[in-house]
Amino acid sequence: ELKVEQNPLFLSMQEGKNYTIYCNYSTTSDRLYWYRQDPGKSLESLFVLLSNGAVKQEGRLMASLDTKARLSTLHITAAVHDLSATYFCAVAGQNFVFGPGTRLSVLP
Amino acid sequence: KAGVTQTPRYLIKTRGQQVTLSCSPISGHRSVSWYQQTPGQGLQFLFEYFSETQRNKGNFPGRFSGRQFSNSRSEMNVSTLELGDSALYLCASSPDSNEQFFGPGTRLTVL
Repeated sequence: ELKVEQNPLFLSMQEGKNYTIYCNYSTTSDRLYWYRQDPGKSLESLFVLLSNGAVKQEGRLMASLDTKARLSTLHITAAVHDLSATYFCAVAGQNFVFGPGTRLSVLP
Repeated sequence: KAGVTQTPRYLIKTRGQQVTLSCSPISGHRSVSWYQQTPGQGLQFLFEYFSETQRNKGNFPGRFSGRQFSNSRSEMNVSTLELGDSALYLCASSPDSNEQFFGPGTRLTVL
């Protein structure tokens, strides 16, 4: 059974700092997705990673995938308050399995 | 291109009742998946439909069912509602079972 873990689950950081969110999964997959969810809202697609070594960047966020280590990272550069949200990774096996989410708060 | 739409957006029901939620996928998308999101259990997969056939199913009791119509619109039904069914129900559509695009969700409250 595919299991997806994320850490940390809660992250409070100051504006301007860098940090990384980790997503580990238990069985082989080469399709991994990152989503953002604001309170009371739906999920917004951030990145689609479809092969080992894939790296995608959008603004202050960069995601990477290492299928051999079954690990994806979401790196935040020079955080700003607008990045405050919950971030989910999801791994495609027989169906999509989501991690528990990382609640990010960026403080001024 | 219009996004995924879900109706209704909010719903209040009492225990024992049944409910039907509707999802219209993005035009051209044939895959529709349903998820339940709760604070305690997170995002859990309910089922996926593709071209009117259920392709995958999560670990939910038989009270949860769904269907997809020829125009790719999908409905999910929950019978004999329980308090624990209170959740945000999200529908996602996909052209090819890769990237999924989520609707705004239906927030169901069971009293």
